[in-house]
Amino acid sequence: QTVVTQEPSFSVSPGGTVTLTCGLSSGSVSTSSYPSWYQQTPGQAPRTLIYSTNTRSSGVPDRFSGSILGNKAALTITGAQADDESDYYCVLYMRSGIWVFGGGTKLTVL
Amino acid sequence: EVQLVESGGGLVQPGGSLRLSCTASGFTFSSYWMSWVRQAPGKGLEWVANIKLDGSETYHVDSVKGRFTISRDNAKNSLYLQVNSLRAEDTAVYYCARVCSGYCFDYWGQGTLVTVSS
Repeated sequence: QTVVTQEPSFSVSPGGTVTLTCGLSSGSVSTSSYPSWYQQTPGQAPRTLIYSTNTRSSGVPDRFSGSILGNKAALTITGAQADDESDYYCVLYMRSGIWVFGGGTKLTVL
Repeated sequence: EVQLVESGGGLVQPGGSLRLSCTASGFTFSSYWMSWVRQAPGKGLEWVANIKLDGSETYHVDSVKGRFTISRDNAKNSLYLQVNSLRAEDTAVYYCARVCSGYCFDYWGQGTLVTVSS
């Protein structure tokens, strides 16, 4: 069974830079998995940040960026702001219409 | 403006059934794959099912195969999820989401809560 891994939690200082990662329990993440990233605050629906590895969704500020780092997908937030404090989820397209989400990363800005 | 509005959730006993609906507006519904994604209380997101533009292909996560069925009615701009043989672990907010051309979920509804409890 495929497991998508994310850091359970991360902390960043206001104005700082943080990189969250999204990996596979076995194997590497590549662009062919079309990694995408979502931000979610409590009680709200997810918001799409990044898709197809590094394409920002409409209206997403350019301090959010996506990439492949080594064998993982990565979401980098540059110049973190207080309202970036959220849960962040990645999802990978496995093939044949099947997606698998990571467990999410709770980001604290303090 | 793209809008997705879910309905049909509620409290149901173990073994029971519900039909979740999602009404779409603001885009050409028949031109997009659609998905259901769920989130158990305090837990992460879980992809549940996808359906092709014309309904000819569907995919479901293993944990719901044989119990849940995704379908759509393009004439009514509506997406459905028939959920049968419900278990306590199916308790979750169920989100309807549009699948983008870049293999993402680009628009989400606000969700409908399904609670399975006796």
